[in-house]
Amino acid sequence: RKEVEQDPGPFNVPEGATVAFNCTYSNSASQSFFWYRQDCRKEPKLLMSVYSSGNEDGRFTAQLNRASQYISLLIRDSKLSDSATYLCVVNDYGNKLVFGAGTILRVKS
Amino acid sequence: GAVVSQHPSWVICKSGTSVKIECRSLDFQATTMFWYRQFPKQSLMLMATSNEGSKATYEQGVEKDKFLINHASLTLSTLTVTSAHPEDSSFYICSARGYNNEQFFGPGTRLTVL
Repeated sequence: RKEVEQDPGPFNVPEGATVAFNCTYSNSASQSFFWYRQDCRKEPKLLMSVYSSGNEDGRFTAQLNRASQYISLLIRDSKLSDSATYLCVVNDYGNKLVFGAGTILRVKS
Repeated sequence: GAVVSQHPSWVICKSGTSVKIECRSLDFQATTMFWYRQFPKQSLMLMATSNEGSKATYEQGVEKDKFLINHASLTLSTLTVTSAHPEDSSFYICSARGYNNEQFFGPGTRLTVL
């Protein structure tokens, strides 16, 4: 079983749509959680950290459920520029980042 | 945010040659840097953790004699792919850990071995 699992997609949505991505992780001792965004042939960039209380940054909302070992990302009012691969990332013991394979989002006009 | 550079950004080489990739933290000192590899449509896989002034810690399945890592200063780590073969073709990305523990990624190096 992979340490971090994501639906690879692609999710094809029209502009303005709301889209949600899910992720599960296997190590219950994981300490911190993130969503990264990766554009084609580029390095990943931190989108937001994920906290148990849930957190929001503009159109983006992240949620963490430690009991279910489940992380989500909600994007409201999708823009064309949101098209990218979204990586669920878990900070494992030893301060190592473990990446999911990513979920592809394509926003179309 | 902090800036991490990588050089070269891409390289094409013949099978059997060695390739050196540099990773620099430009505006901060990084005692720890990480080297990742990403194959097409796959996740980033950690290859090794590089600590300044000491030997790198390699992940299971990564050959330390093939992927030589040197972290001689607080702003520079190098990865040398020795005797590269076509199966080593990949996107190599480094990251540097800042004082707040956040990892900042370099822009990556695309290696193609013919």
